[in-house]
Amino acid sequence: DQQVKQNSPSLSVQEGRISILNCDYTNSMFDYFLWYKKYPAEGPTFLISISSIKDKNEDGRFTVFLNKSAKHLSLHIVPSQPGDSAVYFCAASLSGGYQKVTFGTGTKLQVIP
Amino acid sequence: KAGVTQTPRYLIKTRGQQVTLSCSPISGHRSVSWYQQTPGQGLQFLFEYFSETQRNKGNFPGRFSGRQFSNSRSEMNVSTLELGDSALYLCASSLAGVPPGTDTQYFGPGTRLTVL
Repeated sequence: DQQVKQNSPSLSVQEGRISILNCDYTNSMFDYFLWYKKYPAEGPTFLISISSIKDKNEDGRFTVFLNKSAKHLSLHIVPSQPGDSAVYFCAASLSGGYQKVTFGTGTKLQVIP
Repeated sequence: KAGVTQTPRYLIKTRGQQVTLSCSPISGHRSVSWYQQTPGQGLQFLFEYFSETQRNKGNFPGRFSGRQFSNSRSEMNVSTLELGDSALYLCASSLAGVPPGTDTQYFGPGTRLTVL
């Protein structure tokens, strides 16, 4: 049972435009959400997170939006840069869950120069 | 500060063998988690250790086991290897502060295991 779903395996965006990566979850108990970026031959690196008490968190070019009623979150990257080309993983956890983080299957973003 | 290190980086084994993977967390980090990454399945949580105790476990068979040492270094072991165990095994460390589950995890580069 995939509790965190990223339904788009890949996404191509022109440099300078907005990239929107989507993620859906089924477990309404999740209260903390994270995005990780992964380059080939490297481990995932933390990008941005959001608590369920918020609906938006911004860090530079990256903004995460959370819609609890729809059990949906999205990552916006503006403007997109070629160096953003990577696989992006959405993840969710329970704040009392002792690091049991549930990851999605990833979306491969390609930013075209 | 050194990042999370994993050894070896690549392994080739045959069915039925066993394998041990090692992870050294970032200095000061006391929580170590292990994940299996396969195409189409994303990262699947294996287990998490804190202060030498397993605090949480994913849905993997008992052939997958782990341990953590007093210096927070961790090992995972897979016995009786199957073809389906071929994957990238990732280790992540965190401070495991309060509240748990919200610490940022720092990942190592992974160990690529191929089972023939």
